[in-house]
Amino acid sequence: KAGVTQTPRYLIKTRGQQVTLSCSPISGHRSVSWYQQTPGQGLQFLFEYFSETQRNKGNFPGRFSGRQFSNSRSEMNVSTLELGDSALYLCASSLGAASPLRGTDTQYFGPGTRLTVL
Amino acid sequence: KNEVEQSPQNLTAQEGEFITINCSYSVGISALHWLQQHPGGGIVSLFMLSSGKKKHGRLIATINIQEKHSSLHITASHPRDSAVYICAVRSGGSNYKLTFGKGTLLTVNP
Repeated sequence: KAGVTQTPRYLIKTRGQQVTLSCSPISGHRSVSWYQQTPGQGLQFLFEYFSETQRNKGNFPGRFSGRQFSNSRSEMNVSTLELGDSALYLCASSLGAASPLRGTDTQYFGPGTRLTVL
Repeated sequence: KNEVEQSPQNLTAQEGEFITINCSYSVGISALHWLQQHPGGGIVSLFMLSSGKKKHGRLIATINIQEKHSSLHITASHPRDSAVYICAVRSGGSNYKLTFGKGTLLTVNP
C-alpha cells in the first residue's frame, strides 16, 4: 500500500506570493491533518480534515487555509507569504473515526514539503 | 510553560546502552504519541497509548495518566536509533489536535 505523498517536496517563493501544497493520503484513510515544523517552534498543528470538512484548527492566522476533496486528497494554501512561513509542512493521514473514538487511530506522516520564503 | 515537556533535549549514548526519554504534559489527553524523525524530515509513529505499556522490538513506551507522564525506553541502543524522538499529546474532549514536545535528539555512537 502506497504511503502518504506530498507535492511538491521543495518550494521557493518570495514574500507576498501565495502557495498551494498537496497531500494524498493512504488509500482508505479519510482524515488528513496538516502540521508546520520550524526550528524555533517545533511541530505545530494547523488543521484537520475529515470527509471534506474541517474538524479542527490550530492557532494560525487566516492566511493559512485548507480543503479536502471527495477522494480524501487535501490541499493547504498560504496567502501573502511572510519570511516566517519558511518551514517544513507535513501532512498525516489516518483512518479517522467519529467521536468519541477520535484521536485513537495512528497517523501516518508524509515526507513533507519544505517551503522557503525569500 | 509548554503543555508538553520533554527531557532531555539532547542525549548521547554508546551502542548497547539503555535509553530513557521522558515526557510530561499538563492537559487532559485522550492519547499520547511517540514519534521518530530522522534527518531529512520523515516522521514515523512509534507508539500511541492511552494507558499502561506497549512494546515493539527494542522499544518500550509507558504512560502514567495520574502523574501525566510518559517514558520511551530503548534497550540495546544502536547507531540506527539516532534520531529526534518527539512526544505528542492528543487533547481530550472536542478539541481534537496534537500538541508536540520540542523533541529529544538522540545520538548513539558505535
